[in-house]
Amino acid sequence: KQEVTQIPAALSVPEGENLVLNCSFTDSAIYNLQWFRQDPGKGLTSLLLIQSSQREQTSGRLNASLDKSSGRSTLYIAASQPGDSATYLCAANAGGTSYGKLTFGQGTILTVHP
Amino acid sequence: DARVTQTPRHKVTEMGQEVTMRCQPILGHNTVFWYRQTMMQGLELLAYFRNRAPLDDSGMPKDRFSAEMPDATLATLKIQPSEPRDSAVYFCASGLGGPFGYTFGSGTRLTVV
Repeated sequence: KQEVTQIPAALSVPEGENLVLNCSFTDSAIYNLQWFRQDPGKGLTSLLLIQSSQREQTSGRLNASLDKSSGRSTLYIAASQPGDSATYLCAANAGGTSYGKLTFGQGTILTVHP
Repeated sequence: DARVTQTPRHKVTEMGQEVTMRCQPILGHNTVFWYRQTMMQGLELLAYFRNRAPLDDSGMPKDRFSAEMPDATLATLKIQPSEPRDSAVYFCASGLGGPFGYTFGSGTRLTVV
């Protein structure tokens, strides 16, 4: 059974800092890993989708990396802004007999203060 | 942008009542998920469908929950009878399965009193 863990559970940083959010998964047989952002009381917004054959994906100030063999992904946010404050969730998309099943981590609550 | 549409956005009901939540997946998407989100448990998979057929509903309490896709444009999640512990946000997501990503709806916030 796939288990996904995110560290840290919460992070508070001053504006302008670069930061890294971590995600680990127990079963490396994944199609891809997807990072989401969730604002309070809102739905999930997809940020980045990184395929199992890829090492990195970038979108603006966001960069996601994937090391399938070690079961790890990181989300790097450059030059953080107060508008980045949200909960960040990673989800592993299972392969094999669980084709397409998403398993989520518990999330990292990010606060960027001015 | 294409969206996954969920209705209602909010629902308050009394314990014992039937609740039906609806989801309109993005046109052309063949995979639909139902998730439940609570503070304690985070996001839990309740059920998912591919080409309208249920693939996995092992996370769903079978005695009171049921999920269906009567057609490709509608997925439903029903709770009967509802209980206070069912209070949560219920999300629907759709996608093309496999190596493709998924799009989530805005959720239905259910409160059972």
